[in-house]
Order: sequence, then C-alpha cells, then structure tokens
Amino acid sequence: AQSVTQLDSHVSVSEGTPVLLRCNYSSSYSPSLFWYVQHPNKGLQLLLKYTSAATLVKGINGFEAEFKKSETSFHLTKPSAHMSDAAEYFCVVSERSSASKIIFGSGTRLSIRP
Amino acid sequence: DSGVTQTPKHLITATGQRVTLRCSPRSGDLSVYWYQQSLDQGLQFLIQYYNGEERAKGNILERFSAQQFPDLHSELNLSSLELGDSALYFCASSLAVGGQNTEAFFGQGTRLTVV
Repeated sequence: AQSVTQLDSHVSVSEGTPVLLRCNYSSSYSPSLFWYVQHPNKGLQLLLKYTSAATLVKGINGFEAEFKKSETSFHLTKPSAHMSDAAEYFCVVSERSSASKIIFGSGTRLSIRP
Repeated sequence: DSGVTQTPKHLITATGQRVTLRCSPRSGDLSVYWYQQSLDQGLQFLIQYYNGEERAKGNILERFSAQQFPDLHSELNLSSLELGDSALYFCASSLAVGGQNTEAFFGQGTRLTVV
C-alpha cells in the first residue's frame, strides 16, 4: 500500500530565505513522486516529478526536490522565497504498478513574510 | 492551461437536489480522477476511471456516482445533496495508470454550493 505524509501543515518563512517543505512516502513498488502547488481559488499545478531518473529533480519557479530512498523522503526546497510562492503545496505518490492510484498528502500551507 | 476542462465552474443548488459535473480530459489521456476539496477535510480522492472502467474507489459516498464515456469524458453525479457536500470538485487526467506517465493534470474545478 502506498501513503504519503507531509510533516508540516503550515510553514512560514521570510521573503528571500530558503524554503523546505517535508514529505515522506511509503510504497510497495517503485514510486513516482510529485509536488503540486495550489494558489488560492485555483486548480492544482504540477511543480515537478520524480520517475526513477535523476534523484535531484528541478521544477518550475526555482523549486527542486531530492528523492532519498534510504529515508523514504521527497522534500521540496527553494533557495530564496518569493511572495508569489505563498500557496498550498501537495506531495503526491503514485506506484508504478498496473493498479496504481494517485495519493495526495494532506498539504502544507506556505506563508511568506515580507 | 492544463488541458483538462471542467464544467460548470460554479454551481449553486438546494439541498435534496441532484447535479452533474462534467470533465473533459487532456487529449490522449485515458485515466480520469475525481477529487473533493473542502475546508475541513482537505483534498479527498473520490474515484478513478481508466479507459471507461472504474479502477479505484476512495471516499465516495453512495449518493455519488461517476462514469467515463467512450469518448473518455467523465461525469460525476451528486444526488440528495446536503449542506456538507459544498466543496470544490476537481477532475484530473493522466495518460496511464502505472508506468512512467502517471502525473495528473488538473482542471480548474467546479465550486458547488448547496443552500
């Protein structure tokens, strides 16, 4: 069975400082991992994805995530936060089996202080 | 633009009524997912279809049903509506189930308000 845990429900950082959003996953098969972002009253947008190629994945808007199998983690980072990064972020796991489904974490709300 | 189209964007209806939400997936995508997002329960997976067949079921109430048609569009039917069904309903599509192409692309959602 697959599951995903986002360790922080809310993260607040100052503009220009690094961002770290934490995600741990559980999967019986080789997982595909994703981060999505949702701005207020908007749909979900794919930020980046990991599908067994390079373990360090670069996404849009300066975000990146590193797949660490030994730690079953897929944390999202950005070197310098921007006010426009304020949003809800979802970590997602999908098993690469024939019967996989997409499982969302509970979300992390990122706030940016001026 | 994700390529996934949901209609209507907004829907206001009374308790006890029935509504149908429609989703057109991205061109070529075979898999369709439905999610419900509410303030108190977050993003909840409802149901998944792949090429017309139900593939996985989540926290979908018996009052709700869905189907995927031969042209791959999907409809989510919500009946005997209650105030608590007020939420944002998202549809997503992906190319495949399993394998490398499982990232989902989301529509803008249908905001349902039950009064």
